[in-house]
Amino acid sequence: RKEVEQDPGPFNVPEGATVAFNCTYSNSASQSFFWYRQDCRKEPKLLMSVYSSGNEDGRFTAQLNRASQYISLLIRDSKLSDSATYLCVVNKGGGNKLTFGTGTQLKVEL
Amino acid sequence: GAGVSQTPSNKVTEKGKYVELRCDPISGHTALYWYRQSLGQGPEFLIYFQGTGAADDSGLPNDRFFAVRPEGSVSTLKIQRTERGDSAVYLCASSLPTGATGELFFGEGSRLTVL
Repeated sequence: RKEVEQDPGPFNVPEGATVAFNCTYSNSASQSFFWYRQDCRKEPKLLMSVYSSGNEDGRFTAQLNRASQYISLLIRDSKLSDSATYLCVVNKGGGNKLTFGTGTQLKVEL
Repeated sequence: GAGVSQTPSNKVTEKGKYVELRCDPISGHTALYWYRQSLGQGPEFLIYFQGTGAADDSGLPNDRFFAVRPEGSVSTLKIQRTERGDSAVYLCASSLPTGATGELFFGEGSRLTVL
């Protein structure tokens, strides 16, 4: 079983739609959680951290459920520019040694 | 520029050859990481340096892979006797020395193709 599991997609949605991605992680000792965004043939970049209390950054909302070992990302009012791969990321501790999921591909269409 | 710089951006080599990939991190970032990303997969951890020493090399797949960071800045990932399965994008990242913020700054990667 992979340490971080995501549905690879692709998720094809119309502009303006709301889309949600989910992720599960296997190591209950994991300490911190993130979503990264990766554009085609580009490097990954930090999108946002994920907290149990939930956190929001504009159209993006991230949520962590430690009991279920489940992480989510909600994107409201999707834009064409949101098209990318969204990587679920877990830090087990010890600096920034991150474990990445395989990513979920999002395509926002006119 | 001010970002993480990796060279070469593309490397094509033949099976069995030796390859070196170079990473120049962001100035002031004492932590440096190497990851490998295969097509359709997320980045896979290889090795992590804090300063000059390898703090964690548990992700190196076998003894054909080795990385150094002799002066605590530039790092070189070395692959001996390359195999076709080594073909991937090798990503280098650096981060600030304090805490586990989760923010790694990645370079654009070195795309390695082993024929």
